[in-house]
Amino acid sequence: ETGVTQSPTHLIKTRGQQVTLRCSSQSGHNTVSWYQQALGQGPQFIFQYYREEENGRGNFPPRFSGLQFPNYSSELNVNALELDDSALYLCASSLGLAGTPGETQYFGPGTRLLVL
Amino acid sequence: GDSVTQMEGPVTLSEEACLTINCTYTATGYPSLFWYVQYPGEGLQLLLKATKADDKGSNKGFEATYRKETTSFHLEKGSVQVSDSAVYFCALRTAGGTSYGKLTFGQGTILTVHP
Repeated sequence: ETGVTQSPTHLIKTRGQQVTLRCSSQSGHNTVSWYQQALGQGPQFIFQYYREEENGRGNFPPRFSGLQFPNYSSELNVNALELDDSALYLCASSLGLAGTPGETQYFGPGTRLLVL
Repeated sequence: GDSVTQMEGPVTLSEEACLTINCTYTATGYPSLFWYVQYPGEGLQLLLKATKADDKGSNKGFEATYRKETTSFHLEKGSVQVSDSAVYFCALRTAGGTSYGKLTFGQGTILTVHP
């Protein structure tokens, strides 16, 4: 069984640029969530996709957007990058309807983004 | 809104010492509770979970009991090893609303175990 994978592992961008991060969910998982983890902090929820539809969003501006594809892989896009966007971006996948008590989210290794 | 508070770190212990990392929460509704562990340079791994009051989650010698009356989910281990050195995150999830399945994390506790 293949776990959650993310690409790239590291990325350096400059302020104002745009970035796309990718996530392949664990086999059979139809829910993908994205989190931002600033240095020394706990992850913060960005949004979640269930069967290609966004079904929950945290306190992030619209320049953070996403997609989920028919194979349940996902992208996180960030436009007009700011210095504070520097963080580890984590993707998590889960099986079944998001939020059910038995659901477990499995995390990928993350993409570390540095904005200069 | 939902929130999780963990004890301040870092925590430094000698091998075979007892570990307790405190976690308290505030939540609307009836949350599920989790402990995740993050090893250096890696993503998060689920350590244990509990979905209802008085449930005890356990894994790899770690335990935590869901205490609804004190809104707590403290992580414990009787004898830590050097390989337990990592960052530990307490988290909760409440279902429903517009953030279906969203995990809310504490700030993390760094644990270092010396031989």
